[in-house]
Amino acid sequence: EVLLVESGGGLVQPGGSLRLSCATSGFIFSSYDMNWVRQAPGKGLEWVSSISNSGITIYYADSVRGRFTISRDNAKNSLYLQLNNLRAEDTGVYYCARDRGPSDSWGQGTLVTVSS
Amino acid sequence: EIVLTQSPGTLSLSPGERATLSCRASQTVSNNYLAWFQQKPGQAPRLLVYGPSTRATGIPNRFSGSGSATDFTLTISRLEPEDFAMYYCQQYGSSSKMFGQGTKVEIK
Repeated sequence: EVLLVESGGGLVQPGGSLRLSCATSGFIFSSYDMNWVRQAPGKGLEWVSSISNSGITIYYADSVRGRFTISRDNAKNSLYLQLNNLRAEDTGVYYCARDRGPSDSWGQGTLVTVSS
Repeated sequence: EIVLTQSPGTLSLSPGERATLSCRASQTVSNNYLAWFQQKPGQAPRLLVYGPSTRATGIPNRFSGSGSATDFTLTISRLEPEDFAMYYCQQYGSSSKMFGQGTKVEIK
């Protein structure tokens, strides 16, 4: 069974930092590109970032470029998202998703709240 | 970047009726790499259809996708009670994998 479990969310002040993790199992992690997608409370889905299976090719949404960093550890079957200089508008649930072209498997998400 | 516009914003229908959801792209979606997702409150999105007419594993055949270039459609042939939810389209043909703003299918 394919499993993705996010962790690392929480309450942080504006300007602060968090590191999100996504632990995976049930598939050959190193064979798949991976994505982060977020959802603000009561709003739609927003693609955040993608990373190739090797970690070499990386893309970011304009809204997070320069503040967020995606990475992966294929030896640990894990995906990461470093969130720096957080803003109130970064509040939401952050999902990791396996990429097979479209994202075919998703975690349940971790909530990030940016507030003073 | 490609902007996806979904219509209508809300679709009010009864169980058993047919639902037709639209997703229009601001420019041609490369290779017709367009996917549809369903999301229920408190749950992660679920992949329904991609490419744009291939159903994902385990998806009932009442869900069908069609279209090409800039105009895509998700059709639910006969709505079941569990189909009332939010639906999003997403293009994955370019590096910026944008989503549409969503269509809510609600019980009339």
